Amino acid sequence: DTEVTQTPKHLVMGMTNKKSLKCEQHMGHRAMYWYKQKAKKPPELMFVYSYEKLSINESVPSRFSPECPNSSLLNLHLHALQPEDSALYLCASSQLLTTVNYGYTFGSGTRLTVV
Amino acid sequence: AQTVTQSQPEMSVQEAETVTLSCTYDTSESNYYLFWYKQPPSRQMILVIRQEAYKQQNATENRFSVNFQKAAKSFSLKISDSQLGDTAMYFCAFMKGQGAQKLVFGQGTRLTINP
Repeated sequence: DTEVTQTPKHLVMGMTNKKSLKCEQHMGHRAMYWYKQKAKKPPELMFVYSYEKLSINESVPSRFSPECPNSSLLNLHLHALQPEDSALYLCASSQLLTTVNYGYTFGSGTRLTVV
Repeated sequence: AQTVTQSQPEMSVQEAETVTLSCTYDTSESNYYLFWYKQPPSRQMILVIRQEAYKQQNATENRFSVNFQKAAKSFSLKISDSQLGDTAMYFCAFMKGQGAQKLVFGQGTRLTINP
C-alpha cells in the first residue's frame, strides 16, 4: 500500500458545526502533516506530527484541532470555522530517516466549504 | 528562512515539445533537498523528481530531468516529449535536512500541453 487516503473528499459545513477530516496511511511512515491550500496558491503547512507527537504548529487558530491517535491515522477536528477557512486540506506522510529524506506522499485532499 | 521562487506563472507548449520550468531558491542550509511536485486537476500532489543537494549529478526520471545549479541556487525542470497528461500545476519545493521537516513551496507554474 503506497497511498495516503483522505476522507471525506468533499465537505460542506456551517459555521456552528463540528466536523472531522481523516487521513490514513499504511506505509509505516512515522511523520504526518496537514497542509491548507487555497485556490491557485501553494499548500501552506499547518501541523506536523512526528512519532505521533505534535512537533510543529504553524500558529494555526484553535478552531483547528489535530489529533494523531496512532501511527497510521491523523485527524483534523474542525469547530466554529469561518468562510475564509474554505480550502483544500491536504494530508501527507513521510519516512523518518536519519540519513536521507525522500519527501512526502500526499493524499488527494478534502475540499472544505464553510457556509 | 527558506524561500522558493517560480517566475513563470503559466506556460503552454505543443504536445511532443520540450519545456523547461524555472525555480530558484534561497537558503543558508548546507543539507537540503529539492523537489518538483505535479498537481493535476484531480488535486493529488504527485512527486515528479527529487534532488539531494550534496549530489552533483542531476536527477532524471524518464522524460523528466533537472538542471541543478547549486552555486546559483537554481533548480529547473525539463520535460521532454511532453504529453497531454503532463498538463498540471507544477510546484518547486525545498526541504532542509532529514526527519519531519516543513516542505516550502514556490508559487507554482501552470503548464498546459496542447494537442
